[in-house]
Amino acid sequence: AQSVAQPEDQVNVAEGNPLTVKCTYSVSGNPYLFWYVQYPNRGLQFLLKYITGDNLVKGSYGFEAEFNKSQTSFHLKKPSALVSDSALYFCAVRDVGGDDKIIFGKGTRLHILP
Amino acid sequence: DGGITQSPKYLFRKEGQNVTLSCEQNLNHDAMYWYRQDPGQGLRLIYYSQIVNDFQKGDIAEGYSVSREKKESFPLTVTSAQKNPTAFYLCASTAGQGPNSPLHFGNGTRLTVT
Repeated sequence: AQSVAQPEDQVNVAEGNPLTVKCTYSVSGNPYLFWYVQYPNRGLQFLLKYITGDNLVKGSYGFEAEFNKSQTSFHLKKPSALVSDSALYFCAVRDVGGDDKIIFGKGTRLHILP
Repeated sequence: DGGITQSPKYLFRKEGQNVTLSCEQNLNHDAMYWYRQDPGQGLRLIYYSQIVNDFQKGDIAEGYSVSREKKESFPLTVTSAQKNPTAFYLCASTAGQGPNSPLHFGNGTRLTVT
């Protein structure tokens, strides 16, 4: 069965600094990985997805994600954080070779400090 | 505009009553999902359906039931057998056009059972 882990419950970053939100995964076949963002009392919004062969994937709002096969990681990054980036971020993995579930990590709350 | 509509936004019920949460999509998506969100636990999969008249249990299906009689609709019933039903419930869909298709989410229903 697949799994996904977000080791940090919360990440604090000063505005203008680079940010990283960590995600590691475990799948039996090829990884299908996603990042989503959630604002208070709302559903999740898609940010970006892993494209096979691309180690650096670009997404919405200036976010990008770095895929590392050997470390089974898919960390979310942004070169310069904005206060408006403060939200809850989820990593997700799809188990295509198994039961085709889409499983989410527990989420990381990102606080951008002005 | 296409999207997913969950209603109502807030729902209050007495313990021992069944309650049905609505989820409707006009995106012409094949697959639909129900997730439950609790603080610190991320999103947990309740049920999912990849095609009309078919659905599968997720990781926490006990105490819940679903139906998929129409492509556009995937209602979730929270039964009195669900021991801790108070939570934020999210419905999502995906086009199913390949494993990289991202999920589209509704804005959720917050259920409170007292």
